[in-house]
Amino acid sequence: GENVEQHPSTLSVQEGDSAVIKCTYSDSASNYFPWYKQELGKRPQLIIDIRSNVGEKKDQRIAVTLNKTAKHFSLHITETQPEDSAVYFCAASMGGQNFVFGPGTRLSVLP
Amino acid sequence: KAGVTQTPRYLIKTRGQQVTLSCSPISGHRSVSWYQQTPGQGLQFLFEYFSETQRNKGNFPGRFSGRQFSNSRSEMNVSTLELGDSALYLCASSLWAGSSYEQYFGPGTRLTVT
Repeated sequence: GENVEQHPSTLSVQEGDSAVIKCTYSDSASNYFPWYKQELGKRPQLIIDIRSNVGEKKDQRIAVTLNKTAKHFSLHITETQPEDSAVYFCAASMGGQNFVFGPGTRLSVLP
Repeated sequence: KAGVTQTPRYLIKTRGQQVTLSCSPISGHRSVSWYQQTPGQGLQFLFEYFSETQRNKGNFPGRFSGRQFSNSRSEMNVSTLELGDSALYLCASSLWAGSSYEQYFGPGTRLTVT
């Protein structure tokens, strides 16, 4: 079955710097890759997603890139702010309802 | 639209008891999935229901079961609770977006087993 790895497990950046989180997946049939942000004590929130027919997608300060050949996708956050501090999860799906999640990255934005 | 709701939000049970958790999806969403979230294991898929039928199942013992009603509301049940069942149980409702599903999570039910 699908396996999703995520790195790094923790990431600390200075406010205003960029943060990059990378995920790799194992099943080339996966075609949908969402990213979720989970603040302490809150639900995971879908923040951006990308489908396999697209290489890059951007929404304000966040962007996601996908390399189908290498089977990896990355989340990029620019101009980080303290409110970006959270745990970020990547996931992979083959279009159906079987979402496989990465283990999460705890991002800390230091003032 | 109202988001995904889950009840109760917090629950304390003792070993051996059973528990039922409830989830109401976003209006119009017919698919409901359940996940267990623990610090050590991350987000693990339990099962998914669509139109009252279980379509997918994760790798959990038979003590974990669920069902979906005609209004798309879903319940999950855990019987003979074990200490290791302590976790945040998340429900997600999904919308078909043309080539894949988009999932939206509820606030979760935090279950503590003592």
